[in-house]
Amino acid sequence: EPEVTQTPSHQVTQMGQEVILRCVPISNHLYFYWYRQILGQKVEFLVSFYNNEISEKSEIFDDQFSVERPDGSNFTLKIRSTKLEDSAMYFCASRRTGGREQFFGPGTRLTVL
Amino acid sequence: QKEVEQDPGPLSVPEGAIVSLNCTYSNSAFQYFMWYRQYSRKGPELLMYTYSSGNKEDGRFTAQVDKSSKYISLFIRDSQPSDSATYLCAMRRGSRLTFGEGTQLTVNP
Repeated sequence: EPEVTQTPSHQVTQMGQEVILRCVPISNHLYFYWYRQILGQKVEFLVSFYNNEISEKSEIFDDQFSVERPDGSNFTLKIRSTKLEDSAMYFCASRRTGGREQFFGPGTRLTVL
Repeated sequence: QKEVEQDPGPLSVPEGAIVSLNCTYSNSAFQYFMWYRQYSRKGPELLMYTYSSGNKEDGRFTAQVDKSSKYISLFIRDSQPSDSATYLCAMRRGSRLTFGEGTQLTVNP
């Protein structure tokens, strides 16, 4: 069964460093999303992406964040200058055209020291 | 007021019990209502999806939506130890999902 994959599973970085989190959505899906979950808190929407454009973003998704689909299979989230409060699980999700369900990947745990 | 509120539990029940999980919401713009299950350190997995008031059944799971009261529920019948997980309600407006805090459920053998 096709699934969303994410790499790495765990990323440790120093405050102020740039990180890129990678996702491979399900192959025939065209809608992509990033969510995050700070430990002990709810899953929060960051951004949605379709047709090489951001379609919606939350107030969390400020200028430090960017997303890109660099090729036909990958979808990335870049954090330019990480802060301690960026430590969280980051989930990628994808959805097919006309589909209702957003399929989530297993997440990348980001630890900022 | 939070857009979506969910009692975080934890909830502990014996095997075979009926479990009731609930969420309330404040934003009438939510169009679709979902229940996700999340195992520890995994991504959320969709269990139930509905967009209208009423009940929807799928095996041991029943999702209930009451738009007039802004209240949704998930019932699990004949609960099993394998149902032990965190259950998240989620509501969709536009392209984004807004999640509740999640209820941690343990089903004891």
